[in-house]
Parts: sequence; C-alpha cells; structure tokens
Amino acid sequence: GEDVEQSLFLSVREGDSSVINCTYTDSSSTYLYWYKQEPGAGLQLLTYIFSNMDMKQDQRLTVLLNKKDKHLSLRIADTQTGDSAIYFCAEKSGAGSYQLTFGKGTKLSVIP
Amino acid sequence: DAGITQSPRYKITETGRQVTLMCHQTWSHSYMFWYRQDLGHGLRLIYYSAAADITDKGEVPDGYVVSRSKTENFPLTLESATRSQTSVYFCASSGGDQPQHFGDGTRLSIL
Repeated sequence: GEDVEQSLFLSVREGDSSVINCTYTDSSSTYLYWYKQEPGAGLQLLTYIFSNMDMKQDQRLTVLLNKKDKHLSLRIADTQTGDSAIYFCAEKSGAGSYQLTFGKGTKLSVIP
Repeated sequence: DAGITQSPRYKITETGRQVTLMCHQTWSHSYMFWYRQDLGHGLRLIYYSAAADITDKGEVPDGYVVSRSKTENFPLTLESATRSQTSVYFCASSGGDQPQHFGDGTRLSIL
C-alpha cells in the first residue's frame, strides 16, 4: 500500500527555524496536509497544499513540495515553545478516495 | 458551537464488554472517519462513511462495528472489547474534497 515516512524526533532552539520533512510514495496524491497534535488533544489542521503547487506560505509556516522526489517539508520560522507538538504529514490519493494516509508523526521539542 | 465532538473523553471498561464511542458533527459533512492512534503505528483508519447509510472498512476494522443512520452521527462500537483495543480513538469529518477535521479523541482503556 501507499506509505508516508517522517523522522520521529526534531529538537530546535527557541527562535530558530524548524524544518520537518516527509516523503510519500503515492504518485497520484492530490493534496498533502500538515496536522499538529498537542499533548492530550486531537489533530489540528495547520496547512495543506495541492499537488500542482510547489510552495505555500502562511505566516510563520512555509510548505515546500517536490513532486518529482515525492518530498514535502514544513518550515516553521521563529520557532516558539508553543510549537512543541507532534506534526503529522498526510496525503490524499487521487484515486477517487477521500481517505488520508498519515505518517507516524515528528515530535518537535523546542528548547528555551 | 459548530464542530465535531466525541464522547466520552475517557472510558475504562473490561474485556468482553460492549462499548460505544460517539461522534457528532455540526457541519453537515458527508464524510466521517474513525481512527485509532497507537505508539509506533501513528493513525490507522478503522472505518469511514461517505454518507448516511454508507460505510466501508479501513485498514483495521476487525472487532469494530459502525453505523450512520443520520449524517451528523457516526458511532463506533466494540462489540466484545479486548485489551488490544486499548487506544486513543479519533473521529474526523470532511466535506468531500475538503480537509478532514478531528475531534479531541476518546481515551479507551480495557482491563
């Protein structure tokens, strides 16, 4: 089946930029998503990108998509302690399905 | 308030018991989903529904039953709970091609 891979941990200092990477295998992906999960909470949609775009910026968040390499990244500028959370990458197949395939999540720790 | 709500937030039960997790959304989204989240596995899809009275299996459906008699509700039932079903359960909904929005989850422990 289709697969989404992420590194499990990332640690950055407060004020630095964070870059969380994701790779996927489904060449027919239509949308790619980033969700944030804080402890004890559900998944909060952060941003998403359509597969015919290569970049999307939303305040401190920048999403880059390299469709050729099937690589997605989320950059958080000026990382704050409140950004500490687990970040999930997810992709939606273009094969008429509304299901998402999730990565296992990257735990971002921000050091004050 | 508009949104998606899950109940209960926490549940402890014993093996062999039946337990039902509730999910209610106020957006009139056609699609609804149930996931379980476990360490080392991320989120795995249990069941989903494209509309009232239409449901389909996801990746890990065994031991679970769903129904969708009304668009806004999508209950998940464990007919005879097992310890391996101890998990955090998330419900989500989406309006077709729109992103999925998640509830806050139900933390289920089976003793």
